[in-house]
Amino acid sequence: KAGVTQTPRYLIKTRGQQVTLSCSPISGHRSVSWYQQTPGQGLQFLFEYFSETQRNKGNFPGRFSGRQFSNSRSEMNVSTLELGDSALYLCASSLQQGDGYTFGSGTRLTVV
Amino acid sequence: GDSVTQMEGPVTLSEEAFLTINCTYTATGYPSLFWYVQYPGEGLQLLLKATKADDKGSNKGFEATYRKETTSFHLEKGSVQVSDSAVYFCALRFNNNDMRFGAGTRLTVKP
Repeated sequence: KAGVTQTPRYLIKTRGQQVTLSCSPISGHRSVSWYQQTPGQGLQFLFEYFSETQRNKGNFPGRFSGRQFSNSRSEMNVSTLELGDSALYLCASSLQQGDGYTFGSGTRLTVV
Repeated sequence: GDSVTQMEGPVTLSEEAFLTINCTYTATGYPSLFWYVQYPGEGLQLLLKATKADDKGSNKGFEATYRKETTSFHLEKGSVQVSDSAVYFCALRFNNNDMRFGAGTRLTVKP
């Protein structure tokens, strides 16, 4: 079966712009989580959605938001981009909360 | 809060050498424990997991045993290959909470 699909793979944006990243989980998986990965901070949890409801949220500013649709697909949005938002954004899905994750290949965001 | 500490890298080994990557955790209860591997330009792949004390996870020659006495989940492989070169992450997860990752350990295996 298809894995976790993230689009786009690469993105270059200008400071101050906004961006939307998309994630399609494995079919049947209802939990979707987002992580930011940077060389300095490692993997940092952004938020988790389960059945269209945000269940957990990390310690990121309100510029970072997300949502989940009825088909479990998820999007995350970052508004007013800053240089420090440059990172690999990883989406992961799981069948149920508490299970291990299956990760997508990520979206590499570069803010210039 | 719950957290994972893993040995700092990088680790450089010769092919067929024995590998150990140390991982210890801090948690108020008994979380599920995981090892993930990340190859260049890719996302993380689940390598193995253990959900309760004394469980041993294994996959592709890698093993790790959940030790609650020492709060550890060390990753081992008897004979590494060049293709094992990657970054390895230890992680824990409690029930409905988010997964917490260690900082990652970069492994380079030389022929």
